[in-house]
Amino acid sequence: DAKTTQPPSMDCAEGRAANLPCNHSTISGNEYVYWYRQIHSQGPQYIIHGLKNNETNEMASLIITEDRKSSTLILPHATLRDTAVYYCIVRVGHGSGNTGKLIFGQGTTLQVKP
Amino acid sequence: KAGVTQTPRYLIKTRGQQVTLSCSPISGHRSVSWYQQTPGQGLQFLFEYFSETQRNKGNFPGRFSGRQFSNSRSEMNVSTLELGDSALYLCASKSDVDTQYFGPGTRLTVL
Repeated sequence: DAKTTQPPSMDCAEGRAANLPCNHSTISGNEYVYWYRQIHSQGPQYIIHGLKNNETNEMASLIITEDRKSSTLILPHATLRDTAVYYCIVRVGHGSGNTGKLIFGQGTTLQVKP
Repeated sequence: KAGVTQTPRYLIKTRGQQVTLSCSPISGHRSVSWYQQTPGQGLQFLFEYFSETQRNKGNFPGRFSGRQFSNSRSEMNVSTLELGDSALYLCASKSDVDTQYFGPGTRLTVL
């Protein structure tokens, strides 16, 4: 079973920040938080990952709480093309030897509206 | 560099037939994983191959099998197809120290 809990759906106005929450209260010390998104019927797209520090890349920012039991993915200026299902995943390790197995939950369907 | 490619993109088969799907990973990636996505069950892990050896396996019947070649390309096979095998089959590749990247998927329809 997935170790994360996400709201099933969210709306966001175009141009505004989209804040997608994720709960992972049973996360272990060596588990990272990963975010992927899937636009209708395409393969999931990697967005960002983090261990305990906040992370930012060209797509998004990831804020992880100090106790690591929850996190928030932030899309700073959402566009219509950001409409997708967003998956929050926890997995062991990010380095040599870590496996390719990802356990997906149901994700959050983000609808960006004009 | 080129992304993960999967062939064919669409496939229609009938019950009882078998099917083989192909995945070419990103150059340099030795791990290839396969996933099944259905509306009812979501995205489920099938198996992972690393350096031609199965490293992980999900909870699927033995009709689902795979293999990996020395050039890291991978195939998965489903024998004795059932209607419930209709799904989007996704392949993902990763390097030893990198995250996973997914291909566009193969849409299999079983009639």
